Amino acid sequence: AQSVTQPDIHITVSEGASLELRCNYSYGATPYLFWYVQSPGQGLQLLLKYFSGDTLVQGIKGFEAEFKRSQSSFNLRKPSVHWSDAAEYFCAVGPSGNTPLVFGKGTRLSVIA
Amino acid sequence: GAVVSQHPSRVICKSGTSVKIECRSLDFQATTMFWYRQFPKQSLMLMATSNEGSKATYEQGVEKDKFLINHASLTLSTLTVTSAHPEDSSFYICSGFGGRTQDQYFGPGTRLLVL
Repeated sequence: AQSVTQPDIHITVSEGASLELRCNYSYGATPYLFWYVQSPGQGLQLLLKYFSGDTLVQGIKGFEAEFKRSQSSFNLRKPSVHWSDAAEYFCAVGPSGNTPLVFGKGTRLSVIA
Repeated sequence: GAVVSQHPSRVICKSGTSVKIECRSLDFQATTMFWYRQFPKQSLMLMATSNEGSKATYEQGVEKDKFLINHASLTLSTLTVTSAHPEDSSFYICSGFGGRTQDQYFGPGTRLLVL
């Protein structure tokens, strides 16, 4: 069965510091992988996605993620965090883009001055 | 980007009543819409998949007679929670697939509280 694990429930980083959010997945084939961000009262916004090609994917808002098949991981990174990045981040997996997604439990990011 | 709206954003109702939640794709046609449910500190769990003009496909364990889904047009899907009970209190999120980039776009969610 498909599953997504986000090991970190809550992460706090200083503004300007680098960020890495971890995501591990379990899937039988090469999946479509997604990172979404959810701010309070807002819908989930797609940050980036991967389904083939270059394993380093660039997204919006300066985020990037790297697909590592050997580690079944798709970690999200940002070199310099801004206070506005404070939100809940979800990693998700699916067989394609137009099928239901399986989500991790999310990682809440807090940013301190 | 493509926008999905949900109405209402939050609703409080009495046990035994029915509540309808609307999900609209505002600037694209969504041939497929998904309904998810999110409990506090939990991940989103798929409830059902609906395709325009056909019956919804429900996930195992989701009562189709309790959670009525209608996808009458390419821009509107509704979820009706019938005879709501306190255990139905949750955060309901819809998503529509489509748009220029053919991605899933999520609504802001509806928080339901059943007293």
